[in-house]
Amino acid sequence: DAGITQSPRHKVTETGTPVTLRCHQTENHRYMYWYRQDPGHGLRLIHYSYGVKDTDKGEVSDGYSVSRSKTEDFLLTLESATSSQTSVYFCATETQYTQYFGPGTRLTVL
Amino acid sequence: GENVEQHPSTLSVQEGDSAVIKCTYSDSASNYFPWYKQELGKRPQLIIDIRSNVGEKKDQRIAVTLNKTAKHFSLHITETQPEDSAVYFCAASEGGSNYKLTFGKGTLLTVNP
Repeated sequence: DAGITQSPRHKVTETGTPVTLRCHQTENHRYMYWYRQDPGHGLRLIHYSYGVKDTDKGEVSDGYSVSRSKTEDFLLTLESATSSQTSVYFCATETQYTQYFGPGTRLTVL
Repeated sequence: GENVEQHPSTLSVQEGDSAVIKCTYSDSASNYFPWYKQELGKRPQLIIDIRSNVGEKKDQRIAVTLNKTAKHFSLHITETQPEDSAVYFCAASEGGSNYKLTFGKGTLLTVNP
């Protein structure tokens, strides 16, 4: 599983509150990603990082921000959560073309 | 950007039969095509991949074929077993990069005993 952990694994929050999800890896991989998974939509890229402090937007980045201050940590922040952001969030890292996924975080926004 | 279409969205087969899932992509510069399997409540896991300089790759009961001219690739599972039941995702690299993937919407495969 490429040493990837995500926290929290489950979270319920209310509309309008800020939420931060954490991805931690132990393999020193350069690239890290945040995806969301929704029924009928597969995996959609939110943001990705290609190094410390180097990030870029993905397909569905509106309403999300990210930060990477250390190689091993990639944070995803929902500044003001909305019900449309209820989803399962997966972090991933990449090495030699292959992306490895974390266990996921199930986020419910009420 | 890249667009990946995956068919069918659901597939039901009898144990021992073969299953085929097909994907098409739009970017002719894509050069890496992985397949992921996701069991219920679990993370997606890579099961096989193929690069653009190869037409076919096989790993035991699983094979992937790639037709670059037609821009489509397929996953073939032979002698299916109940434990093959899962959602399968295809993906294609964006442009010539090896670090961004676009995923299909997934195929729910059910293998009936």
